[in-house]
This record gives sequence, C-alpha cells and structure tokens, in this order.
Amino acid sequence: AQSVTQPDIHITVSEGASLELRCNYSYGATPYLFWYVQSPGQGLQLLLKYFSGDTLVQGIKGFEAEFKRSQSSFNLRKPSVHWSDAAEYFCAVSTTGTASKLTFGTGTRLQVTL
Amino acid sequence: SAVISQKPSRDICQRGTSLTIQCQVDSQVTMMFWYRQQPGQSLTLIATANQGSEATYESGFVIDKFPISRPNLTFSTLTVSNMSPEDSSIYLCSGSGGEETQYFGPGTRLLVL
Repeated sequence: AQSVTQPDIHITVSEGASLELRCNYSYGATPYLFWYVQSPGQGLQLLLKYFSGDTLVQGIKGFEAEFKRSQSSFNLRKPSVHWSDAAEYFCAVSTTGTASKLTFGTGTRLQVTL
Repeated sequence: SAVISQKPSRDICQRGTSLTIQCQVDSQVTMMFWYRQQPGQSLTLIATANQGSEATYESGFVIDKFPISRPNLTFSTLTVSNMSPEDSSIYLCSGSGGEETQYFGPGTRLLVL
C-alpha cells in the first residue's frame, strides 16, 4: 500500500524568504502526486499535481514542485513567501486508474512571520 | 475543475443523534469520496461513493455507522449515525472526474456534545 511522509510538522519562515516543504512517498508503481493547501477554517485547495512528463510542475499561487523518482520525493517550493501563505499543506498520492483514492501525509503547518 | 458544495457547513449535535451531510458537485463526476479530518490530524478516507451501487468502505469504517448514498453523478450524502463526541471532526467530500484529480468541498465541521 502507498504511504506519504511529511517529515516537518511545523515550519516558520519570514515573509519574502524561500520555502521548501518536504514530501516522500512509498509506492511500487508510477505515482500520481498532489499538493493541497488548507487555510484555517477552509477546505482543501489543489496547488499542483504530477502525473507524468516534466518533473518540475508549476502550480497556483507561485508554487512549484519537483518529482524525483530516485529519492521518492515531491517537494513543494516557493521562492518568496507571502503572509497569506500561512496554512496547512498536505502532500497526497493516488494510485493509477479511475477508481483511485488519495493517501495523505500528516501535513505541514506553515507559519509566516512579518 | 469541479466546484463542490457541502451542507451544513457546521453543526453541533447531541450524542446519540444522527446527522446527514450533503455534497453537491456542479458537474458530473465519476467518483465521489468522503473523508474525515479529526482535530489536528490529516485526512482519512471513509469510503468511496459509487453511483448505482453500494459504497466501498475503508478499514475501520462501517456502513451502519456511516451510511452513504449516491443517487446520481452529482450528489452524495454521508450520515454519521448514533454520534458520540469521538465523531467530532471535519467531514469532507471530494469528486473525481476520471482525470485522477480530486476536488474538495469546504467541509462540514461537526461537534458532538
């Protein structure tokens, strides 16, 4: 069965600093990988996804992620964080096929200091 | 993309009662899913709502506790039955149009007293 690990429970960065959130997965076949963001009191919003092709994917709000098969990683990055980026970030993996279900990591809470 | 709405957005319920949560998608989706997010935790899949057949439940979740309906390709309900304080969570539904991307509703925040 697939699993997702987000090693950082809580990260604090200064506004304007760069950000990298780590995600490692365990899955035997080609994974579908996702990053979602959950703002306080809100549902989940899809930031970006990787299915195949270019291993560097661009998402919304200036986020990008890089798939590294050799490291089983899909880290999320942003060059300059804004205070509004403070939220909970979830990495998720999906098995292939239309009847898929997501397995989520435990999440990383991002705090942004001014 | 799909836009998903849920009703109610929040509720406070007494133990022993049941609550039905509605999930509406603005377009037809192949699959719909129900997740639970306990306080401070990640999301756990409860079940896959299948149109025209019974839902498929994950380990630890049973139909008697979480009956699910999926009458058509745009609507599903989840009932939390015989509630206890341990059922206090956020319940989220999601839809997938077959492209592997799941879009989530805003969630239903449930507090059981």
